Amino acid sequence: DAKTTQPPSMDCAEGRAANLPCNHSTISGNEYVYWYRQIHSQGPQYIIHGLKNNETNEMASLIITEDRKSSTLILPHATLRDTAVYYCIAFMDSNYQLIWGAGTKLIIKP
Amino acid sequence: DTAVSQTPKYLVTQMGNDKSIKCEQNLGHDTMYWYKQDSKKFLKIMFSYNNKELIINETVPNRFSPKSPDKAHLNLHINSLELGDSAVYFCASSQDHDRVENGYTFGSGTRLTVV
Repeated sequence: DAKTTQPPSMDCAEGRAANLPCNHSTISGNEYVYWYRQIHSQGPQYIIHGLKNNETNEMASLIITEDRKSSTLILPHATLRDTAVYYCIAFMDSNYQLIWGAGTKLIIKP
Repeated sequence: DTAVSQTPKYLVTQMGNDKSIKCEQNLGHDTMYWYKQDSKKFLKIMFSYNNKELIINETVPNRFSPKSPDKAHLNLHINSLELGDSAVYFCASSQDHDRVENGYTFGSGTRLTVV
């Protein structure tokens, strides 16, 4: 099962794009990359996921390198409410087994 | 050395059976949680215990009963299993329920399939 590594913390100015990196060098061909975030006192919130192609939704964009060994979550215009711990997860859809990393604590500063 | 470990990882059982999922954390955290991941991959909290005391009990069927013998363990027992109970269940822990900004540590999940 692929493991993910993320920086423990990051800062970003409000209104700027927040770019959160994740390494998953042992990811296999059928493992998806999922991003969740945990906001204070709330349950984990799904953000986005992808397999090979870059993905975009109303919350964020996901950029996956061609070799799939790393990815970047982009929050295009960070707000104070985006302060949370962000988890990058390698996920094998066939057996639903997730490997949770330690996450990145993202702090958005005014 | 696994911080939050769940057993079993996979569980296939027939409707009507009773089953348990176990969770243990070795982080010294005070708070433990059970989440259910639905078909859309969203994680929904079911229960939370802080130092063996129930602090969050979301609307789940009475067939689900958590048990926390000590603050390092939080087990989930399910009676009379139904097809709709099929899902992935995640255990998690945090240092304290008031300071979750330090993040949660999750187990790797238990895939329950009811047939």
